[in-house]
Amino acid sequence: GAGVSQTPSNKVTEKGKYVELRCDPISGHTALYWYRQSLGQGPEFLIYFQGTGAADDSGLPNDRFFAVRPEGSVSTLKIQRTERGDSAVYLCASSLTGRTNEQFFGPGTRLTVL
Amino acid sequence: RKEVEQDPGPFNVPEGATVAFNCTYSNSASQSFFWYRQDCRKEPKLLMSVYSSGNEDGRFTAQLNRASQYISLLIRDSKLSDSATYLCVVEDSNYQLIWGAGTKLIIKP
Repeated sequence: GAGVSQTPSNKVTEKGKYVELRCDPISGHTALYWYRQSLGQGPEFLIYFQGTGAADDSGLPNDRFFAVRPEGSVSTLKIQRTERGDSAVYLCASSLTGRTNEQFFGPGTRLTVL
Repeated sequence: RKEVEQDPGPFNVPEGATVAFNCTYSNSASQSFFWYRQDCRKEPKLLMSVYSSGNEDGRFTAQLNRASQYISLLIRDSKLSDSATYLCVVEDSNYQLIWGAGTKLIIKP
C-alpha cells in the first residue's frame, strides 16, 4: 500500500518568503506528526495532530510556523517570513490511532532558504 | 546537556564484526525506547523497540538499563547493508519522541 508522501521533495526559497509543505499520510491513520531534521541531528518534534485538531504543538519554534489538517487527512505545514535557519528536512509521519502506535515517516521535504 | 546522547561516530567496522552502540537519556520518567535506522537522505525507519528485559531480532540485540539510563544496540555478523545512521529514541511521559543525533555506521568489505 501507499506510504506517507510529501511534496515537494525539495524547495528552495528566499529569505522572507512564505512556504507551504504538504503531507499525505497513510490512508486510515488518524495521527499525524511533523518533525524537522537539521544536518547531523535527529528529528525534532514540531506538532502532532489527532484527527483535525492539533493535540500537541509544543514543538513549533515560533509563531512563523503553523500547520493545519482541515479534513483529518492531508496536512500542510506553513512557514511565514522564512529565515536561513529554517533550512532543514521537514519530515511528516503518521500512525494508526495515536502516539502509542508506530510512526511511519515520509521521505521529507528538503527546504533551503537562501 | 542533551536529553538523548549518542556517540556520533562514524564507526568503521569490517564486515562480519560485532558492533555496539550506546545511548544515554536524561529524563528518568521516560517510558518507551526505540532504535531507528536512517539511510543517507532517507527517512527514519523503526528498527526495534527496546524492552526492559532486553530483546533480540535476528542479528540485532537491544538492552535497556533504567537505573543507569542507557540503551544499547548490538549488531552481530555485520553486513554491508547495515551501513546507516542508527538513532536512539526515547518517549517521554507525554508520549513525545525525543531523538538522539544518531551514530553513523560504515561497514567495510
